[in-house]
This record gives sequence, structure tokens and C-alpha cells, in this order.
Amino acid sequence: DGGITQSPKYLFRKEGQNVTLSCEQNLNHDAMYWYRQDPGQGLRLIYYSQIVNDFQKGDIAEGYSVSREKKESFPLTVTSAQKNPTAFYLCASSIYAGQGFGNTIYFGEGSWLTVV
Amino acid sequence: ILNVEQSPQSLHVQEGDSTNFTCSFPSSNFYALHWYRWETAKSPEALFVMTLNGDEKKKGRISATLNTKEGYSYLYIKGSQPEDSATYLCAYTGITDKLIFGTGTRLQVFP
Repeated sequence: DGGITQSPKYLFRKEGQNVTLSCEQNLNHDAMYWYRQDPGQGLRLIYYSQIVNDFQKGDIAEGYSVSREKKESFPLTVTSAQKNPTAFYLCASSIYAGQGFGNTIYFGEGSWLTVV
Repeated sequence: ILNVEQSPQSLHVQEGDSTNFTCSFPSSNFYALHWYRWETAKSPEALFVMTLNGDEKKKGRISATLNTKEGYSYLYIKGSQPEDSATYLCAYTGITDKLIFGTGTRLQVFP
């Protein structure tokens, strides 16, 4: 089945450690995205990539890093510089970013990260 | 700051009731408005992407309308069923080229 797979679903991290969240898609989509959700807030864009080997910062990129070495993969690293990393993280993709994000976005099931 | 507001925040209805909720967004530099349904423990699922003023879209018992001049969209559910229980998200995109999400309307349908 085509879709987006995120792993792990739940992750606990000690303060000061980096952690990488995996996102893989087999939809042959060009564009991929990482969003963060916090209680009482809408989804906020962390990073996005429109094509392999290229990515752009979203609205809350500080403390995060990404790579896009393969079309199907867009891992997110939450670094120790991220001050409030405990959150729910959603990966998504679309056929291409295009102008104005008018394309349907397809989401994974998310990863819960808790810093202890 | 571009804001997308959804109301109400939550809604409880009886099975068979029809319901509707609102998404308000900036009316200037509009490009597209998305609606998603997000069931607990699942991925958000796209319902509609709307781009033209006056657009009306329908999927089964769910329909949506769009008014870009005044900056609002309505989502309607006719004859709500327990399986419609979910959070309904809208997201706007304009000249910034990024999706801006509302906080969602959480719908619970009681049998």
C-alpha cells in the first residue's frame, strides 16, 4: 500500500541528546514536510523539501535539522538546541510543492517525542 | 501575522444531527483552502482543496463552501454518524506559499 511511514511512534529522549525521527514515503512525491503540533496550536511547519538534496526552513526551524538524500526519505533531527522538543511530529508529502501549496498533502501517523 | 481561526473548538451532536463549522482566513492574497479530517491515532486525511471563490465541494455526507472575498469556509456534515467523530482541520495558503493551519474543530457524535 502507498503511504507515509514514520518511526518511531513514541520516543523518549534525555535532555541534551539529539534524536532522529524517520519519515519514508512510497508515493513517488517530490515534496516532503515536517510539522509540529503543540496543545492548543495549529500544525506548524518546521522544514520542507521540494526536491532531492534541497530543503527550506519553515516557521520554527531553530533547533532542528533535516536531510533529503533520497526522494523517499526525509529524516528530522531534533537537536539539543531545541528548547522545547516535547511535542507531536507529523511528516507529510505532496506530489510537488508548486505555487501556494495548492496540492493535497498526505500525512503519516506521527511520532510522539518526550524529553525526560 | 496570518491567522486561521476555526469555530467552534469542539462540538457534541447526536447521531442523525446535521452540523457545520467555520474556518476564517485572511481574504487577501488567497490561493487555496484545505480541509482535513483527523481521527484519533490515524493520519490526517484530505477532504477538500478549494481554490475558487464560490467553490462548493461534496464527498458523501460532507460538503464545503468557500468565500474568498470575506475569508471564510464552511464545512457541513449531513446526518452525522459516530464514525464522523474526528478533529476537522482547515489550512489556508496565500502568497507566502506555505500552509497555515487552524487549531481544528473536534466533533463527537453520540449514538
